[in-house]
Amino acid sequence: KAGVTQTPRYLIKTRGQQVTLSCSPISGHRSVSWYQQTPGQGLQFLFEYFSETQRNKGNFPGRFSGRQFSNSRSEMNVSTLELGDSALYLCASSSRQGMGNTEAFFGQGTRLTVV
Amino acid sequence: AQSVTQLDSHVSVSEGTPVLLRCNYSSSYSPSLFWYVQHPNKGLQLLLKYTSAATLVKGINGFEAEFKKSETSFHLTKPSAHMSDAAEYFCVVSERTGRRALTFGSGTRLQVQP
Repeated sequence: KAGVTQTPRYLIKTRGQQVTLSCSPISGHRSVSWYQQTPGQGLQFLFEYFSETQRNKGNFPGRFSGRQFSNSRSEMNVSTLELGDSALYLCASSSRQGMGNTEAFFGQGTRLTVV
Repeated sequence: AQSVTQLDSHVSVSEGTPVLLRCNYSSSYSPSLFWYVQHPNKGLQLLLKYTSAATLVKGINGFEAEFKKSETSFHLTKPSAHMSDAAEYFCVVSERTGRRALTFGSGTRLQVQP
């Protein structure tokens, strides 16, 4: 079956703009989580959606938001972009809420560069 | 609260020699522990997971890890390194109850010399 698909793979934006990233989970998976990966901070949890509801949130400012649709696809939005938002954004899908008891499958990520 | 410490940021081994990547964790609850691997320009792939069954966990590609509660460790080993093992490895902890988000270690870059 198809894996986790993230689009676009690469993105260049200017400071102050906003951006929307998309994630299509594995068919049948209802949980989608987002992570930010940077050289300085490593991999950090952004939020998790399950059945269209945000179930868990990391320590990121309100500029970072997301949503999940009825088909489990998820989008992540970052408003008023800052240089420090440049990162690889990874999406993970899972069959159950929370990643503690089950395998999370990761997409290849979206590389966002803010200039 | 939970945290993970990967004790080595870089490990270099020769092909055919054993691999040891060290990980210590801290968790207020009974943890689930994972090792993920990330090859360049690729997403993360699960190598193995511990979720309270056998303490010695076998994963893909010949990797295994042992959960040692008394030492709060979950070190990753492989008897014989292959060139294709060169990648970044992440030790990950999650609470089996509660918030259950994944907390990643800072990563260990494994180099395999011919």
